[in-house]
Amino acid sequence: SYELTQPPSVSVPPGKTTSITCGGSDIETKSVHWYQQKPGQAPVLVIYYDSDRPSGIPERFSGSKSGNTATLTISRVEVGDEADYYCQVWDTTSDYVVFGGGTKLTVL
Amino acid sequence: EVQLVQSGAEMKKPGESLKISCATSGYNFTTQWIGWVRQMPGKGLEFMGLIYPGDSHMRYRPSFQGQVTISADKSVSIAYLHWLNLKASDTAVYYCALSGLTLGGCFHIWGQGTLVTVSS
Repeated sequence: SYELTQPPSVSVPPGKTTSITCGGSDIETKSVHWYQQKPGQAPVLVIYYDSDRPSGIPERFSGSKSGNTATLTISRVEVGDEADYYCQVWDTTSDYVVFGGGTKLTVL
Repeated sequence: EVQLVQSGAEMKKPGESLKISCATSGYNFTTQWIGWVRQMPGKGLEFMGLIYPGDSHMRYRPSFQGQVTISADKSVSIAYLHWLNLKASDTAVYYCALSGLTLGGCFHIWGQGTLVTVSS
């Protein structure tokens, strides 16, 4: 079955820029979506179709893709960005949704 | 405003049945896929399945096929997740989420989650 690989954790000081990666075979052929989940809350879509941002999501959040890796970049990181982040694709071979394992972002 | 409002927390015993709901509003219920996502304690998001309420077409992740049933009632715009025989390992938070007009899209709106606890 298709797998997406994310680093378990990333740390960044406030005000800096950080990137969270999502690796997968042939990911360049798939649309990648990203979600933010804060403790005790439902996930929130922050990036869809690789690099589009839903209304209400700050411009500090951006998405990109290159080779076998998709990347969520958060610039000017704020304490409020501390959360778990998940990437997601639709695997056309198995015909269902696949989530990455999630990355815990710590702002310190 | 599009909203997904899920039913409240449940405490059940192993072997019991359960149906949780996801009440929708603010859009045409029959024209967008709705999915269910499991999050076990301290773990990540797991896709369970999707339903298209317009014709009840479904997609299940293989590991959930036969373990749960996803359904939708067009008359009241509610989606359901149903277990016949709960296990302790079904303890988790379950989210419904709106996926859009076609398969392959993102989950752009999420319910608040339903905590299901299965314990003897």
